[in-house]
Amino acid sequence: KAGVTQTPRYLIKTRGQQVTLSCSPISGHRSVSWYQQTPGQGLQFLFEYFSETQRNKGNFPGRFSGRQFSNSRSEMNVSTLELGDSALYLCASSLGQLLHFQETQYFGPGTRLLVL
Amino acid sequence: QKEVEQDPGPLSVPEGAIVSLNCTYSNSAFQYFMWYRQYSRKGPELLMYTYSSGNKEDGRFTAQVDKSSKYISLFIRDSQPSDSATYLCAMSETGGSYIPTFGRGTSLIVHP
Repeated sequence: KAGVTQTPRYLIKTRGQQVTLSCSPISGHRSVSWYQQTPGQGLQFLFEYFSETQRNKGNFPGRFSGRQFSNSRSEMNVSTLELGDSALYLCASSLGQLLHFQETQYFGPGTRLLVL
Repeated sequence: QKEVEQDPGPLSVPEGAIVSLNCTYSNSAFQYFMWYRQYSRKGPELLMYTYSSGNKEDGRFTAQVDKSSKYISLFIRDSQPSDSATYLCAMSETGGSYIPTFGRGTSLIVHP
């Protein structure tokens, strides 16, 4: 069974640009969550999508947005990039919605974004 | 002060040692506690989870939760070089939605 895949793996952008990252969950998984990982702040929850609807949202500005398609694939968009957006962006999928801790999340390898 | 504190390390131990990894937290509403392992250039993978206080054992790994002290631990027995990774603790509240709060991770190096 294929794992969670994320594209692209590496990305370099300049301040002010926008970026779109893609995530394909494990087949059959309907929930996709996005996280930002930085050395200073660690791993921080961005948002979760389930059945094409955003279900949970972390404490990030509106520049960070996402969507989920009918095949559960998800994209995350960051507009007006700032230097502080440089990070590893991780996507995780799970079978069901994150209402219970028993929902094991499977993480992809991440997209490393560098903003210059 | 962050809600979840974790010493970033690195923690360097010889092969075969018992490793103790710890996190403290401030939010008394946290009920679910998890440990993830993250190898270099990979995403985190769930190692163990526990609910409320108590111990849970899985092979060489033991997770402990002390809610009265707001302190959780992960013990690794007979550590191996393949255990070298970053270990992240995570925790969440209950009540209808699940938004995990992660520690920053502890880098563990097990040398032969």
